[in-house]
Order: sequence, then structure tokens, then C-alpha cells
Amino acid sequence: EVQLVESGGGLVQPGGSLRLSCAASGFILSEHYMDWVRQAPGKGLEWVGRTRNRAQNYITEYAASVNGRFTVSRDDSKSSLYLQMNSLKIEDTAIYYCVVWMSMVGSWGQGTLVTVSS
Amino acid sequence: DIQMTQSPSVLSASVGDTVTITCRASQPINDFLAWHQQKPGKAPKFLIHRAIFLKTGVPPRFSGSASGTEFTLTISSLQPDDFATYYCQHYDGSSPYTFGQGTKLEIK
Repeated sequence: EVQLVESGGGLVQPGGSLRLSCAASGFILSEHYMDWVRQAPGKGLEWVGRTRNRAQNYITEYAASVNGRFTVSRDDSKSSLYLQMNSLKIEDTAIYYCVVWMSMVGSWGQGTLVTVSS
Repeated sequence: DIQMTQSPSVLSASVGDTVTITCRASQPINDFLAWHQQKPGKAPKFLIHRAIFLKTGVPPRFSGSASGTEFTLTISSLQPDDFATYYCQHYDGSSPYTFGQGTKLEIK
């Protein structure tokens, strides 16, 4: 069974940094695309970033709103996906979800809350 | 960037009704269109990929269709568990992999 468990969320001041983790099980991480998606309070879903699979050289892609501040990475040996968030802004406050794409079929984690506030 | 325009924003219906939600892409997306369902306070759930294919375990009362850059999600014989918010998403090809604005399906 595919399982994704996010962690690392919390309260951080504007300008600060935070690293989120997504522990994956039930599949081989290196074979699949992985996304981060976020949802601000009371708002819709926003795609944040992607790391493609090993076959596609782990190419990363980002939304314009986070490009240059956020970095998606993975450690296949630990079956883990990461989101390094730097220069955080108040508008980055959201629940952050990781998503795995397996043969174009997605599965979601349960999310972790990030609050950026002074 | 590809824009995804979803309508309506809110849809009121009764148990047993059939409803349709529409999503339009601003340019061709080769049917790389997914539908997701989200209930209040919960993580989204994946329903449909490649515009028309149900994820294993999704009830067959859910169906998707595609015509060019217009996509629809149809839910037949609405059940109480179906009242939720639905999002379309363009998910492959060229980033950003944009979501539609969402459609809240509420009980009439």
C-alpha cells in the first residue's frame, strides 16, 4: 500500500527557513515523479514543485511563486522527499502535501502545516 | 503558463442527482488532466487520470470526459459521501501543473 507521511511543519518567522520531509513507503521512490502541493487557509490547491524520476535525471520544476526560495530534493535510499523553504513569507502559510505519481495516477499524503508569522 | 478555468464555483444538488463540473485548459494538454476530491479538513483524494480513467477503488458513478481543451467530471446518482470540493489539474507536459479554482458541491 502506498503511504506518504509529511513532517517538519511548524511556526516560523518571516525570512526564516524550514525543511519539510515526506516519508514514502509501498513503492520505489526513484521510479516516480514526486510533487509538493500547498493549500493556504480557506483557499484552493497550488502546485509548488516537482522532482522527476531517476530515468529523467531527477529534473526539478517550480512554481514562479517559490522559484529561487524553495528546493525540492529526495533521498531514494531513505525513501524520502524534502522541501527546503528559505526566505519564507507570510503568504507561504499553508498546509503542504506531497504527492506521488505512479503511471500517471496520483496519491496524496496527509499534509503538514506551515505557519509564517512574527 | 497553462490556465485551468473550472466552473461552476459552487454547485447545489440533492442525493440521487447527476451533476457535471467543467474544466477548460487555455491550451492543449494532451488529456493530462486529473480530478481530485477534497473534504473539509482532509487531504485531497485522487479520482481520475488522463481525463477519463478512474483510479482503482473510485466508484463507477464518477466519470470523466474530454473534448479538445474542455474536460468534464460527471457524478451520477449522488451519494451523501460525494458532497465535497473538486479540483481539476493539468499534471504533465510543461510546468506549472496548475489546478482549477475548485468546485464546491453542496447539498441543496
